[in-house]
Amino acid sequence: QKEVEQNSGPLSVPEGAIASLNCTYSDRGSQSFFWYRQYSGKSPELIMFIYSNGDKEDGRFTAQLNKASQYVSLLIRDSQPSDSATYLCAVYLNSGYALNFGKGTSLLVTP
Amino acid sequence: GAVVSQHPSRVICKSGTSVKIECRSLDFQATTMFWYRQFPKQSLMLMATSNEGSKATYEQGVEKDKFLINHASLTLSTLTVTSAHPEDSSFYICSARRAGNTEAFFGQGTRLTVV
Repeated sequence: QKEVEQNSGPLSVPEGAIASLNCTYSDRGSQSFFWYRQYSGKSPELIMFIYSNGDKEDGRFTAQLNKASQYVSLLIRDSQPSDSATYLCAVYLNSGYALNFGKGTSLLVTP
Repeated sequence: GAVVSQHPSRVICKSGTSVKIECRSLDFQATTMFWYRQFPKQSLMLMATSNEGSKATYEQGVEKDKFLINHASLTLSTLTVTSAHPEDSSFYICSARRAGNTEAFFGQGTRLTVV
């Protein structure tokens, strides 16, 4: 069983701070890693994906991957109240590209 | 970007009745569609994978006779919840993937409430 683990939170950060979200995965063979944002009552929306060890930056978001430690994180710089949502980490479940999601971390950015 | 439309967005039905949820890829041909279910405070769980023109592959623990999936065309997949019960109340989300592309695009989701 492939596991994707996330701290459920809530993680509370003040506006303008850096939010750090973490995820660990059990399948050492996983190659692709995804971060989704989900607002309450809505479907997930892709923030970014990462395949290679190291950092990948996209605007205020940075994904970090460490395959040796089976760890992937998402940093959100200059956090805004509109970033308040649940952040889901996901890996491919199978060769058909279905996704295996973690339970998500709830982020609250306070003004 | 690719657009996936899911309908209805909300449905309330009586226990014992059936409900059909549609998932359409509006601007691309979806060779594969995925159906997920999300219970409150839980993550998305894959229910089944459907490929156009073939039978769906269901995940362990998902009753294929209860959750009927049809993927009759490259732009439409349907999920029918048969003989719905209150425990089937959940958020159902589809996603669609086109051939040769690994990314799947999500529909808006359907909130099903069985009373």
